[in-house]
Formats: sequence, C-alpha cells, structure tokens
Amino acid sequence: DGGITQSPKYLFRKEGQNVTLSCEQNLNHDAMYWYRQDPGQGLRLIYYSQIVNDFQKGDIAEGYSVSREKKESFPLTVTSAQKNPTAFYLCASSMGKGTDTQYFGPGTRLTVL
Amino acid sequence: KQEVTQIPAALSVPEGENLVLNCSFTDSAIYNLQWFRQDPGKGLTSLLLIQSSQREQTSGRLNASLDKSSGRSTLYIAASQPGDSTTYLCAVHTGGFKTIFGAGTRLFVKA
Repeated sequence: DGGITQSPKYLFRKEGQNVTLSCEQNLNHDAMYWYRQDPGQGLRLIYYSQIVNDFQKGDIAEGYSVSREKKESFPLTVTSAQKNPTAFYLCASSMGKGTDTQYFGPGTRLTVL
Repeated sequence: KQEVTQIPAALSVPEGENLVLNCSFTDSAIYNLQWFRQDPGKGLTSLLLIQSSQREQTSGRLNASLDKSSGRSTLYIAASQPGDSTTYLCAVHTGGFKTIFGAGTRLFVKA
C-alpha cells in the first residue's frame, strides 16, 4: 500500500525538550511538507522540501528544524525555542510541483506538559 | 496576501438534504483550488481539484465550482448522508510550493 506514515500518533513533551516527529512516504514523491494545525485555523506551512538535501522555510519556521537526507523521509524537530508547540502536525507529499495534489499523513498530536 | 475564508464554520442538516459549502479567496491569481475532507484527529483526504482554467469538477455526489473573478468556490453535496459528517477544507495554490488553507466548515448530517 502506498502512502504516508507519521509517528508517533501522540507525543508529550516537557518544556525545554526537543522532540522529533517522523514522516515517511513510499509514493516516490519528490516534494514533502510539514504543516501545523491549530483549532479554528487553517493549516500553516512550517517547512517544505522539493528534493533530497534541499528544504525551504515556510510561514512559521521559527523554533523548528528539518532534514531531508532520503527521498522517503522528512523528519521535523520541534526545538525548545518554539514557544507554543502544542498542536496537530501534518506531513504531506506531492509528485514534484507545489501545485500538484498533496497527499497527507494521519498526523501527530504534540502536547507540551 | 492571499487569504481563504470558509463560511459557515459549522453546519447541521438532515439526511438527504442537498447542501452547499462556501470558500472565498482574496486574490484571483490562483493556479488551482482543492477541496479536502478531514475526519477528527486524522489527516486530509483530497476530494476535488479544480484548475484555474476550469469552472467545475464532479466526483460522485460532489460538485465543486470555481469563479476566479469573484474569488469564490462552492462545494455542492447532493443527497447528504451521515458519512458525509466531517470537516471540509478549501485550499488555494498560488504557484510555487505554498498552499493557503481555509479554517474549514464542520458538517453534521443528522440521520
């Protein structure tokens, strides 16, 4: 089955800790994205990557970091510099162009204790 | 700056009713527009994608229209069913790799 997986489904973090969210796709897509979703708001772009070893900041990149060492994987690290990290995080991928249909993973809910 | 608005935020209808969800955007220079559904606590599932040169797209009981000049799109759902109860999101591609999402309309279909 082709698709996008995210892990873990739920994540709890203490203040001051860095945590890493996993995103893997087997769709052979070049582009991958990380979004943040807060209640009552639209999805907001954190980072995106067009190809391996390349990534760009989105609208709310502060306090986050990413890597793209493999085509299939695009992990997101939420650092202690992110002041309000409690949110639902969604990973997506698309074939190549940013205007192609994006396919989404099931999401990770991060809660800061 | 492109903004996408979906009104109403929530809607409740009896089963079998036809309904329309609205999406408006502030800048008509869009590449395409996409409608998604998002079940609670889950990811997004694409429903329909309309290219800027198209006026509408249909899939089963769903029909999406696009009027770029007025900055509006509608999602028409025919003969609604309880399984249609979810949140519907509208998203606008303006070119490049950035997509602007609306906050969604939460639909509840009563059996």
